[in-house]
Amino acid sequence: GAGVSQSPSNKVTEKGKDVELRCDPISGHTALYWYRQSLGQGLEFLIYFQGNSAPDKSGLPSDRFSAERTGGSVSTLTIQRTQQEDSAVYLCASSLATEGRRYTFGSGTRLTVV
Amino acid sequence: GNSVTQMEGPVTLSEEAFLTINCTYTATGYPSLFWYVQYPGEGLQLLLKATKADDKGSNKGFEATYRKETTSFHLEKGSVQVSDSAVYFCARPYGNNRLAFGKGNQVVVIP
Repeated sequence: GAGVSQSPSNKVTEKGKDVELRCDPISGHTALYWYRQSLGQGLEFLIYFQGNSAPDKSGLPSDRFSAERTGGSVSTLTIQRTQQEDSAVYLCASSLATEGRRYTFGSGTRLTVV
Repeated sequence: GNSVTQMEGPVTLSEEAFLTINCTYTATGYPSLFWYVQYPGEGLQLLLKATKADDKGSNKGFEATYRKETTSFHLEKGSVQVSDSAVYFCARPYGNNRLAFGKGNQVVVIP
């Protein structure tokens, strides 16, 4: 597609429920990143996928968080047993392998845990 | 460490005023430096970058100069418009293709 697409744009969930956030990167972008933007905080790195390599999961805050990238394209970030502190905007970005830091961001998913 | 620090708090100013947003970084060596902008309801997008010391990045009337003496990359614009209202993030690379971002500054331009 023309840009990075994220869905849903907004999600309200009850504490303890599981949620799935979807990211559809730009076609041909081999690198895909998930960041979390909390109120008053900067962007916090969560996870990074590059081609067929093992993902860099070092930013995931707990084992309730996981992510997959199927077929080198679409990625899903799953948060199990959501907590109120998980409320944030979850941003996905993609880039060409040759332009690693020139990210194209999606508009994000605003997650609210009530 | 490998981090960037932005000045605290939102910035509110009148149209045609001069804008400065401070950014300082910590690093070993001289990393590339970036400013990203997030307009309301949109994703972040790259505004400008500088890849080495003394470089000046510029775009849409914004400028930032990479100053190694002060480890700074302050963003400036001489005459802001209402359409410049957005959140601005300073960033630097670290690790495996990651970017470390500052906390961002909300800029509100009043007509």
